Amino acid sequence: GENVEQHPSTLSVQEGDSAVIKCTYSDSASNYFPWYKQELGKRPQLIIDIRSNVGEKKDQRIAVTLNKTAKHFSLHITETQPEDSAVYFCAASMSSYKLIFGSGTRLLVRP
Amino acid sequence: IAGITQAPTSQILAAGRRMTLRCTQDMRHNAMYWYRQDLGLGLRLIHYSNTAGTTGKGEVPDGYSVSRANTDDFPLTLASAVPSQTSVYFCASSTDGGTYNEQFFGPGTRLTVL
Repeated sequence: GENVEQHPSTLSVQEGDSAVIKCTYSDSASNYFPWYKQELGKRPQLIIDIRSNVGEKKDQRIAVTLNKTAKHFSLHITETQPEDSAVYFCAASMSSYKLIFGSGTRLLVRP
Repeated sequence: IAGITQAPTSQILAAGRRMTLRCTQDMRHNAMYWYRQDLGLGLRLIHYSNTAGTTGKGEVPDGYSVSRANTDDFPLTLASAVPSQTSVYFCASSTDGGTYNEQFFGPGTRLTVL
């Protein structure tokens, strides 16, 4: 079955710097890659997603890139702010109903 | 509009006891899911339902059962709880089970099995 690996497990950046979180997946049939943000004690919420027919997608300070050949995708956050501090999860889906999540990255943005 | 709710918020349970976690959504979503979240392991799918009356197994279904009698409710039952089932449980729903549909999560239930 599908396996998703996420790195790093923790990331600390200075406010205003960029943050990059990387994920790899194992099954080339996966075709949907969402990213969820989970603030402390809260529920996960979708922040951006990308489909396999697209190489990059941007939404303000957030972007996601996908390399199907290498089977990896990344989340890029520019001009980080303290409110970006949270745990970020990548996920991959190769079929309906089943999202396989990475283990999460705890991002700390230092003021 | 409540969205998706879960009950209880937290529970401490003795091993061997039966427990049902409740999940209700008012968005008329067809698909619903149960995940468990453990530190360092992310979110793992326990069971899912793509429409009322049908259910399916996820990555870690052992020790859990679900039912989907109607569109709104998707309870998760632990027939005989064990300490390894200590976790935070999230229910989620999506418009349908299509690959590209956003999943909306409930607030979670923190379960401790002693």
